[in-house]
Amino acid sequence: TQLLEQSPQFLSIQEGENLTVYCNSSSVFSSLQWYRQEPGEGPVLLVTVVTGGEVKKLKRLTFQFGDARKDSSLHITAAQPGDTGLYLCAGTPPRSNDYKLSFGAGTTVTVRA
Amino acid sequence: KAGVTQTPRYLIKTRGQQVTLSCSPISGHRSVSWYQQTPGQGLQFLFEYFSETQRNKGNFPGRFSGRQFSNSRSEMNVSTLELGDSALYLCASSRGLRTSFGPGTRLTVL
Repeated sequence: TQLLEQSPQFLSIQEGENLTVYCNSSSVFSSLQWYRQEPGEGPVLLVTVVTGGEVKKLKRLTFQFGDARKDSSLHITAAQPGDTGLYLCAGTPPRSNDYKLSFGAGTTVTVRA
Repeated sequence: KAGVTQTPRYLIKTRGQQVTLSCSPISGHRSVSWYQQTPGQGLQFLFEYFSETQRNKGNFPGRFSGRQFSNSRSEMNVSTLELGDSALYLCASSRGLRTSFGPGTRLTVL
């Protein structure tokens, strides 16, 4: 059972469309990270959010951390084929003094040219 | 600045054998974590080492072990390999809020 539930599991869209990926949990996290992973490679950190209600923007990507720090979303505007990949959210439990991350199952995003 | 490096990148073993994977973290990162990634289970935490001490351990059998050296480099060992151990093994080094993953070692058990 995944501590973090990601939805949808798969997403296929046309270049130029927008998309949103969700990451939900019944648990509170002190921080939440989003990664993108391409086949045969390790995950690459996109962003870390730590404050409830926080919104971070990275070019066409917008990340939001829920007020209660139990959920997060990733929104991509005007998606491009280079955005294709596996998007993973990962959380750190509160009052944790280590780097153990709990990952969601991931969302496979395909952007068609 | 060099990233996390893992060796070897690919490995093929047979059931019953043992394997050792190596990870060199980013310079200055004292925490090294290991994860197993499979299509069915996703990314599962194996263990974390900090300053040569295991600080946390995931829910894996004792066949999975690891260690960290004084230069922060880490190794993980899997003994008596089973078919289900076939996976991508990822090493991550962390400092502050930043965690960086290596490219992984693809282990295939035949």
